[in-house]
Amino acid sequence: EPEVTQTPSHQVTQMGQEVILRCVPISNHLYFYWYRQILGQKVEFLVSFYNNEISEKSEIFDDQFSVERPDGSNFTLKIRSTKLEDSAMYFCASRGGSTEAFFGQGTRLTVV
Amino acid sequence: AQSVTQLDSQVPVFEEAPVELRCNYSSSVSVYLFWYVQYPNQGLQLLLKYLSGSTLVKSINGFEAEFNKSQTSFHLRKPSVHISDTAEYFCAVSELSANDYKLSFGAGTTVTVRA
Repeated sequence: EPEVTQTPSHQVTQMGQEVILRCVPISNHLYFYWYRQILGQKVEFLVSFYNNEISEKSEIFDDQFSVERPDGSNFTLKIRSTKLEDSAMYFCASRGGSTEAFFGQGTRLTVV
Repeated sequence: AQSVTQLDSQVPVFEEAPVELRCNYSSSVSVYLFWYVQYPNQGLQLLLKYLSGSTLVKSINGFEAEFNKSQTSFHLRKPSVHISDTAEYFCAVSELSANDYKLSFGAGTTVTVRA
């Protein structure tokens, strides 16, 4: 069964460092998303991406964040200068023509 | 903007007992409604969804949810739970008018099934 895969499963980084979270969406999907869940809080929408551009982003998705689909298969989330409050579980999701979004297993980012 | 409230953060339940997880939403426009489940150390999986039509929707593993427009609710129920139903359950909404179908999630309900 096709699935969304995310790497790494857990990343520890020092405050101020850049981090790239990687996702491989389902191959024929066209819509891509990043969500995050800070421990003990709601899953929050960060950004949606379609046709090689951002279609919507939340207030959380400031200039420190960027997304890219560099090679037609990967979908990455970059945080330029990580802060302690960026520590969270980051979920990638993709969607084809239906309303159902398929989620990856998440990357747990710990900023120390 | 839409929002989702899950009224119960933790629900302990005995095996073979019924369970109900409550979800209320608010939105100024029509929405699609979803329940996602997250088993330990796994990603989010779609459990069931309401798009239109019959207000009672069912999953293949015995869960059902009923859309109640007047009460803006989408409660999830299962008449008899198994140990394997131990997981975190998330209610989510998506606005019909949004092209990208982004999801707004509730805070989640942790269901712990005990023998």
